[in-house]
Amino acid sequence: SQQGEEDPQALSIQEGENATMNCSYKTSINNLQWYRQNSGRGLVHLILIRSNEREKHSGRLRVTLDTSKKSSSLLITASRAADTASYFCATDRVDTGRRALTFGSGTRLQVQP
Amino acid sequence: NAGVTQTPKFQVLKTGQSMTLQCAQDMNHNSMYWYRQDPGMGLRLIYYSASEGTTDKGEVPNGYNVSRLNKREFSLRLESAAPSQTSVYFCASSVGSNQPQHFGDGTRLSIL
Repeated sequence: SQQGEEDPQALSIQEGENATMNCSYKTSINNLQWYRQNSGRGLVHLILIRSNEREKHSGRLRVTLDTSKKSSSLLITASRAADTASYFCATDRVDTGRRALTFGSGTRLQVQP
Repeated sequence: NAGVTQTPKFQVLKTGQSMTLQCAQDMNHNSMYWYRQDPGMGLRLIYYSASEGTTDKGEVPNGYNVSRLNKREFSLRLESAAPSQTSVYFCASSVGSNQPQHFGDGTRLSIL
């Protein structure tokens, strides 16, 4: 079953606007990661936030983590057409004993020029 | 800097045929992974290798086998391909388990 569920499934905004994507998960985690996938390409790692962190920044990206609500958000500020891609959250789950990440189904972001 | 290299990029098979998907990384990573991605969906883990010499099943291992040939290479084999295995297959590697992963550009596999 999918651990991470992104919301919304699709998002269309104008260049310059901010884009916010959310990820909810069901079980305890060690860390949560966000990835971007351009059409026809592999995933690219964006940012990792540990379970004891609440917020992290990287350039125009801001990630928050609320472990009490089992949710995370990815904010892209001042979006550009080049930000058009699918965005996935991935969790390092505590419960499975599996030393691998569990990916959500993604949010498709379209940034209109 | 090649990163993670997957071969082939495209393949069409007939039901029942076998084939091996190759993956190599040049980053001296310990952990390697195989995923499949179906249209409009996220990635599902097929098999992974947390370190050289070990392999473990993921969420959807049925119909697949893997070999961690050495630290650089991790192959995925379909012994008897089925139409349900039509998908895009991604290989990834990371320094250690659950650390940021680096992905190849995928193998697009169609089974008729």
